[in-house]
Amino acid sequence: DIQMTQSPSSLSASVGDRVTITCRASQGISNYLAWFQQKPGKAPKSLIYAASSLQSGVPSKFSGSGSGTDFTLTISSLQPEDFATYYCQQYNTYPFTFGGGTKVEIK
Amino acid sequence: QVQLVESGGGVVQPGRSLRLSCAASGFTFSTYGMHWVRQAPGKGLECVALISSAGTIKYYGDSVKGRFTISRDNSKNTLFLQMNSLRGEDTAVYYCAKNRRPVAAMDEVSDYWGQGTLVTVSS
Repeated sequence: DIQMTQSPSSLSASVGDRVTITCRASQGISNYLAWFQQKPGKAPKSLIYAASSLQSGVPSKFSGSGSGTDFTLTISSLQPEDFATYYCQQYNTYPFTFGGGTKVEIK
Repeated sequence: QVQLVESGGGVVQPGRSLRLSCAASGFTFSTYGMHWVRQAPGKGLECVALISSAGTIKYYGDSVKGRFTISRDNSKNTLFLQMNSLRGEDTAVYYCAKNRRPVAAMDEVSDYWGQGTLVTVSS
């Protein structure tokens, strides 16, 4: 199975900060990379697919980049509603696998 | 709007079986591949199974292969997960999710997810 490694596992940030989360695949996955946001007690919400394409309805403060094995998710200006856990997922090869998650907390 | 509603979760003893359902609405169910994804309490996300739009192609995660079966009834817009020989490590919230596009390819990302149903395996 393809292993997905996210870093950091958690971070503290202030409203208005720019935040970057990284995700590394154990082998090349082209751009078959998605990002999800999950809030406590809720289902994951799709943010980005194909490494850099925004899902419909997702604000442009979210952006993704990367290809091959290294990817990033950036939140340009953190808002209170963005405090959540973020997961990357590769969908190049089944079983599709997720990173361990990055919990974004309020500083 | 897209709605996915899971049901069938509950408390079950180790070794027993359980069948989950996912009722879909708001999109042409028969044209989308569908997923089951689970999340153990306090843990990350794990893909359990994936089925093609026609139900002819099925993939499974390593930890459930041979014990779980994914299926669908396109006439009733419903996805199923038959879980046999349940173990404590199967305890999780189980989510169903739809593919983003109605394509035949299986390497497609999910977009909408249901709210999940909790399965607890315990004696």
